[in-house]
Amino acid sequence: DAKTTQPTSMDCAEGRAANLPCNHSTISGNEYVYWYRQIHSQGPQYIIHGLKNNETNEMASLIITEDRKSSTLILPHATLRDTAVYYCIVRPVQGAQKLVFGQGTRLTINP
Amino acid sequence: DVKVTQSSRYLVKRTGEKVFLECVQDMDHENMFWYRQDPGLGLRLIYFSYDVKMKEKGDIPEGYSVSREKKERFSLILESASTNQTSMYLCASLAQFAGNTIYFGEGSWLTVV
Repeated sequence: DAKTTQPTSMDCAEGRAANLPCNHSTISGNEYVYWYRQIHSQGPQYIIHGLKNNETNEMASLIITEDRKSSTLILPHATLRDTAVYYCIVRPVQGAQKLVFGQGTRLTINP
Repeated sequence: DVKVTQSSRYLVKRTGEKVFLECVQDMDHENMFWYRQDPGLGLRLIYFSYDVKMKEKGDIPEGYSVSREKKERFSLILESASTNQTSMYLCASLAQFAGNTIYFGEGSWLTVV
């Protein structure tokens, strides 16, 4: 099973872009990269996912390196409400869906 | 909208009690998961299931069992609750086809005294 590693914590100034890295060096060709975030004690919230190409939606952008061994989640204009724990996971395209989240990155947006 | 419902939001149980945490999803998803969350440890996978009556161990299955008799329902069972099982438990569901998002319940806070 591919594992991910993320920094334990990061800080970002309000209004700036927050760039959260994730390493998934053992990812295989048939695994997606997913990003979730969790605010306080709520259930994790879906942000974005991708396979090979960069992706963008109303919440964030996902940049996946060409070798797919790492990715970066970008929150273009961070607000205080973006303070949360961000999880990067890999998910197989098919087969047993063992989804391992890890510890995530605690992102703090400072005013 | 997909809904994942966990039967109990807050529970207090005594050491040695048998505890059932129920999770129901309404979107006919094949995959369901149970996680526990503890401060500083992130989300840890206890068990998951990819079909009715099918289950696989996650990273921390000790002290837990699960049941999936119907597709929409995935139960987590603590046969004999212990204080180190005090935690927040999250259920999730996921359609089998790639590209679908993972949906989470709101969590169940279990305190074992």
